[in-house]
Amino acid sequence: ILNVEQSPQSLHVQEGDSTNFTCSFPSSNFYALHWYRWETAKSPEALFVMTLNGDEKKKGRISATLNTKEGYSYLYIKGSQPEDSATYLCAFPPGGNKLTFGTGTQLKVEL
Amino acid sequence: GAGVSQSPSNKVTEKGKDVELRCDPISGHTALYWYRQSLGQGLEFLIYFQGNSAPDKSGLPSDRFSAERTGGSVSTLTIQRTQQEDSAVYLCASSQGPNTGELFFGEGSRLTVL
Repeated sequence: ILNVEQSPQSLHVQEGDSTNFTCSFPSSNFYALHWYRWETAKSPEALFVMTLNGDEKKKGRISATLNTKEGYSYLYIKGSQPEDSATYLCAFPPGGNKLTFGTGTQLKVEL
Repeated sequence: GAGVSQSPSNKVTEKGKDVELRCDPISGHTALYWYRQSLGQGLEFLIYFQGNSAPDKSGLPSDRFSAERTGGSVSTLTIQRTQQEDSAVYLCASSQGPNTGELFFGEGSRLTVL
């Protein structure tokens, strides 16, 4: 993997479902992995910045894990709510420089 | 201010005119980014400033685009001879460090080129 890749591209779940998405990134020269939430008509907001292999971070119903050796991070949402509907972006700084964003996972939580 | 401030929030211009977009980052943040979001697209990197280093301009789509950051603080993105394909939301973000500091985004400047 040369760049940041996210899957799935989009996801529709029912309220109360738990879900997860994947971010893949180059495993060599790891510096950090960022997760952002981007709601429609708003600006992206940081969820997590992860730097250590095995890191697990949690904010409310949202959590993330990091595997730097194999180059992936998972974002989990437990008990999805309509307000969780957004695009979830991960970002990685190749070579430790500018943050490069993935194309995101668009989540829609339906009642 | 407490957050990243961008101006104008909306700009409508005619094809061929020049526009300037301004970003005032959070005080003390050394890293500053410009991104844009065209209709239906994701975040497209434009330019990156880090401290006193030469900016990374690798994302600028053409030589009509330029940006500067004066005194390590305020940044201006200039688009000369605007084209309709330049219509987008231009987002500025700043962070404390080059790669481990979370980005704080401004509200964006929506540019419409008629």
